[in-house]
Amino acid sequence: SQQGEEDPQALSIQEGENATMNCSYKTSINNLQWYRQNSGRGLVHLILIRSNEREKHSGRLRVTLDTSKKSSSLLITASRAADTASYFCAGGNSGNTPLVFGKGTRLSVIA
Amino acid sequence: DAGVTQSPTHLIKTRGQQVTLRCSPKSGHDTVSWYQQALGQGPQFIFQYYEEEERQRGNFPDRFSGHQFPNYSSELNVNALLLGDSALYLCASSLAGGVGEQFFGPGTRLTVL
Repeated sequence: SQQGEEDPQALSIQEGENATMNCSYKTSINNLQWYRQNSGRGLVHLILIRSNEREKHSGRLRVTLDTSKKSSSLLITASRAADTASYFCAGGNSGNTPLVFGKGTRLSVIA
Repeated sequence: DAGVTQSPTHLIKTRGQQVTLRCSPKSGHDTVSWYQQALGQGPQFIFQYYEEEERQRGNFPDRFSGHQFPNYSSELNVNALLLGDSALYLCASSLAGGVGEQFFGPGTRLTVL
């Protein structure tokens, strides 16, 4: 399994600011996935970055991956109150490797 | 294209009872994984089903069992419920020959009294 550990545990910002969350993992991976979870709900798949990619964009999301440091970051630009949620990362491989999650980063965006 | 669906949404049981949760995977997916998420924690892997067999299992007792049907849908059964089984149970679907991308359902909130 490829454990994801998110940092910081909690982050509070004003609407319009950028939010950056970090993730570290321990073993080799083929890809890293980021998920969002609104309170008490299911996980929403945000983005997958492959191990041969260094950066990927999707709308207001920017993800970087540094395989030499076994770390990734998720940047949310121009945050909105609706971005308030917990964010999780998990390393993946081809096939059906189980995902191993950390405790996530709880993001609060204040209007 | 329907995403992953789960039923029921909420469930309340008492200690010692048994419960069955259900999951239908995303269209085109053939693998179902189940996760348990306690309050304030990240999801923990329970087990995974592919071709109607349990393929991988996390660190959960055999009170937790499952099944996958020919249409790829799946059930999670928990026997002899304990208070500590209270959690959000998440189902995720994926494609065995894919890159490992998993899509989650909305979850079933189980409360054990």
